[in-house]
Amino acid sequence: AQSVAQPEDQVNVAEGNPLTVKCTYSVSGNPYLFWYVQYPNRGLQFLLKYITGDNLVKGSYGFEAEFNKSQTSFHLKKPSALVSDSALYFCAVRDWGGDKIIFGKGTRLHILP
Amino acid sequence: DTEVTQTPKHLVMGMTNKKSLKCEQHMGHRAMYWYKQKAKKPPELMFVYSYEKLSINESVPSRFSPECPNSSLLNLHLHALQPEDSALYLCASSQDTRGGGEYNEQFFGPGTRLTVL
Repeated sequence: AQSVAQPEDQVNVAEGNPLTVKCTYSVSGNPYLFWYVQYPNRGLQFLLKYITGDNLVKGSYGFEAEFNKSQTSFHLKKPSALVSDSALYFCAVRDWGGDKIIFGKGTRLHILP
Repeated sequence: DTEVTQTPKHLVMGMTNKKSLKCEQHMGHRAMYWYKQKAKKPPELMFVYSYEKLSINESVPSRFSPECPNSSLLNLHLHALQPEDSALYLCASSQDTRGGGEYNEQFFGPGTRLTVL
């Protein structure tokens, strides 16, 4: 069965510093991986996805993610954090052959001014 | 139009009430989803409609009844809910998930905050 793991409940980063939010995955077949962000009292917003091709995927709001097949990881990164990046981040994987996506438990990102 | 809209934004209902949540998208997407989300938790999938047909029901209690009247609309009818059903209910849509479309991302609405008294 497909699954993703987000090992950190919360990540604290000073504004202006680089940030990383970790995600590892377990899939059978090709991994279709996604990152979503959720601001308080809002729905989820799509950030980026990995389907195939370049291991570095660029997305919205200056975020990027690095796909690493050997480490089965898909970490979310940003070179310089903003206070407005503070939110709940979900990694997700498409359920193989189905209509579902499987979400990780989420990581709360807190950017300190 | 790249937006999924949901109404109402907030809903308070008693355990004997009947109410409905509404979701609409005009992106031509053929897959639509209902999720339930508790605070600080990931969304839990409830139902998936593909081409207006129910394709997934994640063993949701019958007090939740989905309906897809056409390709743009998705409803969730609520009856005799319990206080533990209080949550944020999210609707989402995506392009066709068939034939290689598994990589299509989902677009989420802002959600309906439901409180059951």
